[in-house]
Amino acid sequence: AQKVTQAQTEISVVEKEDVTLDCVYETRDTTYYLFWYKQPPSGELVFLIRRNSFDEQNEISGRYSWNFQKSTSSFNFTITASQVVDSAVYFCALSELVGYSTLTFGKGTMLLVSP
Amino acid sequence: EAGVAQSPRYKIIEKRQSVAFWCNPISGHATLYWYQQILGQGPKLLIQFQNNGVVDDSQLPKDRFSAERLKGVDSTLKIQPAKLEDSAVYLCASSLAPGGSRAEAFFGQGTRLTVV
Repeated sequence: AQKVTQAQTEISVVEKEDVTLDCVYETRDTTYYLFWYKQPPSGELVFLIRRNSFDEQNEISGRYSWNFQKSTSSFNFTITASQVVDSAVYFCALSELVGYSTLTFGKGTMLLVSP
Repeated sequence: EAGVAQSPRYKIIEKRQSVAFWCNPISGHATLYWYQQILGQGPKLLIQFQNNGVVDDSQLPKDRFSAERLKGVDSTLKIQPAKLEDSAVYLCASSLAPGGSRAEAFFGQGTRLTVV
C-alpha cells in the first residue's frame, strides 16, 4: 500500500525566511511519481511539480526547489525568501508510474507567512 | 483553456437529506476523479472514471454514494441519505489519461458540503 507522511502540520514563518516542507513516502512500486500541490484559501489544488522515480535530480523553479532522495524516501520542498502569497496548505502526493494512477495524498502542511 | 468546473461551491443540508454535485472536466480529458477532503486531511479518492466507465470505486461508500459520467464528459456525485460525517469538500479532477506522463490531474475549486 502507498502512504505519504507530512509530519509538519503547520509552519509559521516571517516574510523572506526560507522554509522547507517535509514529505516521506512509502511504496512497494519501483516506479512511481511524486507530486506537490498547493491549496490556497480558495480551495483549488494547484499543481506545482511532478517527478518520476527514475529522476533524482533536484529541481529549482524560481523561489521553489525540490530535493528528491530515494535512499530516504523523501521529497522535500523548499521555498526561498517566502512571501505572504505563499500562505496555503501544501500537499505531497504519490502515484504509480503506469496504469490507473490515482493520487495518494499526505495530510498536508499549512504554511503561514506573516509580513 | 478552461479549468475543471464544479457546482455548487457551497451546500448546507440536514442529515438524511440528498445532495448532488456536478463536475465538468477539462475538454478532452478522458479520466475524471472525485475526491473527498475532510477538514485537516488530504484528499481521498472516491471514484475514478475512464471515459464513462468506472475503473476504481473501492473507497466509495456505495450504500449512500453514487456517481455517474454519462457520455464520458460531465459527472455527478450524489449522496443519499447524507450523514454528519459526510461534511467535507468534494473535489473533482480530470487528466488526459489514467497513467504515465499524461496523468497529471487538474482540480476544480470543490464543493464544500456541510451536513447539520
